Amino acid sequence: KAGVTQTPRYLIKTRGQQVTLSCSPISGHRSVSWYQQTPGQGLQFLFEYFSETQRNKGNFPGRFSGRQFSNSRSEMNVSTLELGDSALYLCASSFDGAYNEQFFGPGTRLTVL
Amino acid sequence: TQLLEQSPQFLSIQEGENLTVYCNSSSVFSSLQWYRQEPGEGPVLLVTVVTGGEVKKLKRLTFQFGDARKDSSLHITAAQPGDTGLYLCAGGLYQGGKLIFGQGTELSVKP
Repeated sequence: KAGVTQTPRYLIKTRGQQVTLSCSPISGHRSVSWYQQTPGQGLQFLFEYFSETQRNKGNFPGRFSGRQFSNSRSEMNVSTLELGDSALYLCASSFDGAYNEQFFGPGTRLTVL
Repeated sequence: TQLLEQSPQFLSIQEGENLTVYCNSSSVFSSLQWYRQEPGEGPVLLVTVVTGGEVKKLKRLTFQFGDARKDSSLHITAAQPGDTGLYLCAGGLYQGGKLIFGQGTELSVKP
């Protein structure tokens, strides 16, 4: 089976812009979770989508949003980018979230200038 | 707020030495995952433990889940340079696909 894929791998944006990141889960997986990884805060949970519905949400501002399509592919959007949004954004998929066994993609490295 | 305290944060050892990494919390988790991450890549799942007191072995790596499902440890025997990387523990909560991550342990194994 192909693993989790994320596009693009690298992105450079300027403050105030918005960005959309894409994630394709492992075939058959219905749960997609998004995480932000920074050197200072480590890995922090953003949100989870299951069957096109947001099932869990972390403590991030409303500028961070996401959605899931009927084929389980997911996108996350960050509006009005701030310098502090520079991070590695990771997507993880799992079959149904049971036991929380998640498989991660390679991440999208976002740099905000 | 669920927190997972991972220690040590940094570990630099010689090839052949043994080491243990700890993850502790005051919260009960439904499962505990251990991941290894290389620079610029996503974490790779090493093991999942779900039963209190469970012990799993993966070659030279031994993983243990505490009886109360609040803590876990990773023990590496005879570390090799190829073990170098960031090791992350993550606690799963009952309510779906949300993981709480520890801060990670940067392991460096010198030949």
